[in-house]
Amino acid sequence: DQQVKQNSPSLSVQEGRISILNCDYTNSMFDYFLWYKKYPAEGPTFLISISSIKDKNEDGRFTVFLNKSAKHLSLHIVPSQPGDSAVYFCAAHSNYQLIWGAGTKLIIKP
Amino acid sequence: KAGVTQTPRYLIKTRGQQVTLSCSPISGHRSVSWYQQTPGQGLQFLFEYFSETQRNKGNFPGRFSGRQFSNSRSEMNVSTLELGDSALYLCASSPEGRPYEQYFGPGTRLTVT
Repeated sequence: DQQVKQNSPSLSVQEGRISILNCDYTNSMFDYFLWYKKYPAEGPTFLISISSIKDKNEDGRFTVFLNKSAKHLSLHIVPSQPGDSAVYFCAAHSNYQLIWGAGTKLIIKP
Repeated sequence: KAGVTQTPRYLIKTRGQQVTLSCSPISGHRSVSWYQQTPGQGLQFLFEYFSETQRNKGNFPGRFSGRQFSNSRSEMNVSTLELGDSALYLCASSPEGRPYEQYFGPGTRLTVT
């Protein structure tokens, strides 16, 4: 069973606009949620995290929102830049392990 | 600080052989985790070590094993390699008290022929 789901395989956004990436989860025991950025043949790069007791966390251009009642989180990138083009993974932490979504490929158009 | 390093970066092995991959965590990090990434299954957790003790293990067969040394460096071993073991193997380290905040190395690309 997929405990963490990213339902959009890809997303195309105009440079300078807002990018919104979405993630759903099923397990209420997760204590932290994270977003990573990944390029092919490289390891994931940590972007931002949020505790399960918070509903928002902001770091520069990146903001993560958590809606516990809907078991949904989202990553907002404002403004979107060409260097943001990559695959973005949502991950959830429980008991020293990360459970990963399938990823969303973000393409920033000039 | 230097990041997580993994060796080797690329490896080609034959079915039935065994392989050992190495990971050096960020200085000061004592937790090391291993993940497998394949096109079909995505990123899957293998195991996590802290102070030489395995704290959690994913749903992989016993052919996959790991260990951690007193300097926090870690190795993972896969015995009796199968074609399906071809994957990118990723190692991550975490600062103490923040096991969720995992910083990844570049990975080892294993190809089994």
